[in-house]
Amino acid sequence: SQTIHQWPATLVQPVGSPLSLECTVEGTSNPNLYWYRQAAGRGLQLLFYSVGIGQISSEVPQNLSASRPQDRQFILSSKKLLLSDSGFYLCAWRKTGRGEAFFGQGTRLTVV
Amino acid sequence: AQSVTQLGSHVSVSEGALVLLRCNYSSSVPPYLFWYVQYPNQGLQLLLKYTTGATLVKGINGFEAEFKKSETSFHLTKPSAHMSDAAEYFCAVSEIQGAQKLVFGQGTRLTINP
Repeated sequence: SQTIHQWPATLVQPVGSPLSLECTVEGTSNPNLYWYRQAAGRGLQLLFYSVGIGQISSEVPQNLSASRPQDRQFILSSKKLLLSDSGFYLCAWRKTGRGEAFFGQGTRLTVV
Repeated sequence: AQSVTQLGSHVSVSEGALVLLRCNYSSSVPPYLFWYVQYPNQGLQLLLKYTTGATLVKGINGFEAEFKKSETSFHLTKPSAHMSDAAEYFCAVSEIQGAQKLVFGQGTRLTINP
């Protein structure tokens, strides 16, 4: 069966520090991968998605970047965090455009 | 580009009452539509989805939704609310072709009153 792992679960980082959140999927190949951010009262904002290795589409120009170095690995990064980067970050995968998305348990990021 | 609008960021109903959560979408091509539920500090869980075929879709926990193309809507309903239904609900749209994006609405927080 397929599983998705996202870590860490919580993270407190100072302003200006770097960020790396990792997401890996097991039990499938060539998944579509997604990063979302959930801020209080603002729903799920699509940040990045990827349909293959090295293929990254950015939805919102901002302080973050994403990479897909391996088929089932998706990394969200920042060189210098801002206070506004605080939020709940969710990674998701799905097999095709018609399939349901499966979500990780999320990372609660607090920038102080 | 596709988008989703959920009417009402907060909905409150009494236990046993009808639950109706509204979702309207915008898409230039036929869409795939989804409803997800999120409990506090957790990821999202699929309730139901519409891809093709029957426009009335039944999901888990007694929920159902009807795809109405003429109204560009995909409202979620449950005949009788239970306390355990209290959560946040998200409607999402994905286009059949193209970019494979999955776009979510702003979410509706459902409160159940005893």
